[in-house]
Amino acid sequence: NAGVTQTPKFQVLKTGQSMTLQCAQDMNHEYMSWYRQDPGMGLRLIHYSVGAGITDQGEVPNGYNVSRSTTEDFPLRLLSAAPSQTSVYFCASSYILQGRDSPLHFGNGTRLTVT
Amino acid sequence: SQQGEEDPQALSIQEGENATMNCSYKTSINNLQWYRQNSGRGLVHLILIRSNEREKHSGRLRVTLDTSKKSSSLLITASRAADTASYFCATAGGSQGNLIFGKGTKLSVKP
Repeated sequence: NAGVTQTPKFQVLKTGQSMTLQCAQDMNHEYMSWYRQDPGMGLRLIHYSVGAGITDQGEVPNGYNVSRSTTEDFPLRLLSAAPSQTSVYFCASSYILQGRDSPLHFGNGTRLTVT
Repeated sequence: SQQGEEDPQALSIQEGENATMNCSYKTSINNLQWYRQNSGRGLVHLILIRSNEREKHSGRLRVTLDTSKKSSSLLITASRAADTASYFCATAGGSQGNLIFGKGTKLSVKP
């Protein structure tokens, strides 16, 4: 099992460019999410999905779009990159259990720098 | 908005010593989870404790939960250099129960 796979591992963008961060999981998890991790801020939820065709906003959604056309994939799109989006991005997935008793499985992250 | 807050922010100990990290949270929870993050890697789930449990063990890990004080602690016994990492607590928040993470405790275990 590959688990949660994120690509690319590193990316440098210029302000205003767009790109898509890829996330794929092979565990048949219904729930998928994107977090960003910044120094001193911990992890903050950007967007999440509870199944194919269903997405919703997290704590910091501005500047990002997501879609969920399949159970396996949950890409994160930056529409017009800004220096404030320089961060490490993590994709995570889990089963959906009553009481949210299912642990999250994380990818190894994408380190994005916007100049 | 942070639900969990870890304390201390950083902890440095010698190999063989015990490490204790604390987490405080604000609202009622179904469960509280602890994760570890090695440098440059994703988070790895360590242990989950439900709101009706007071203590849970997994190998060298011991987690306690006090819902009246809205706090939890993670104890790592007989620490090893390989335990060097950041440790995060997480609780489910909001209508969808998304996990909200604290800012983490950075543990350094010196050989």
